[in-house]
Amino acid sequence: DIVMTQSPSSLAVSAGETVTINCKSSQSLLSSGNQKNYLAWYQQKPGQSPKLLIYLASTRESGVPDRFIGSGSGTDFTLTISSVQAEDLADYYCQQHYSYPRTFGGGTKLELK
Amino acid sequence: QVQLKESGPGLVQPSQTLSLTCTVSGFSLTSYNVHWVRQPPGKGLEWMGRMRYNGDTSYNSALKSRLSISRDTSKNQVFLKMNSLQTDDTGTYYCTRDGLGPWGQGVMVTVSS
Repeated sequence: DIVMTQSPSSLAVSAGETVTINCKSSQSLLSSGNQKNYLAWYQQKPGQSPKLLIYLASTRESGVPDRFIGSGSGTDFTLTISSVQAEDLADYYCQQHYSYPRTFGGGTKLELK
Repeated sequence: QVQLKESGPGLVQPSQTLSLTCTVSGFSLTSYNVHWVRQPPGKGLEWMGRMRYNGDTSYNSALKSRLSISRDTSKNQVFLKMNSLQTDDTGTYYCTRDGLGPWGQGVMVTVSS
């Protein structure tokens, strides 16, 4: 199974700051066939189900604000949230959608400083 | 509009079998995969298994001996059955299209006598 390691586990930020969440996979998520990286990012607010933000490492889901940016390739990936807003305070998870079983990172809790 | 909704008992006794239903609308089960994901209270996400559009299934190896996923395409429903439940199976159970999105609202399952 591919192990996903996410860091940091929690992050305290002030509104307007730029934050970076990291995700590392134990195997490459880059498909040699189409040169795409199969990594997704989710946002989960308290009491809600996860919401897809980014898939294929950098493709933003429809309706997701452009302050959410996914980047990276191979085994190292990053979610950057520029100019954090109060509504962005939530848990964030990475997930590989390269192979089965699908696996998730442990999560990052974004809190207000 | 694509929607998924989980349903099932909120309380299951230890050693008993959990039966959940995911009812979908806005898409066909013969065109899209449906995944099950669970989340213990206050913890991260765990991928459980998948019903493929063609009827094939994949399971988390840690749960495979206890888990079964099936479907009724005429009713637009995907079913999860898991036996020999223990207290650490307590959590919220979600179904999601293609393992990415959208996700259902989730159903909270408590395993307790």
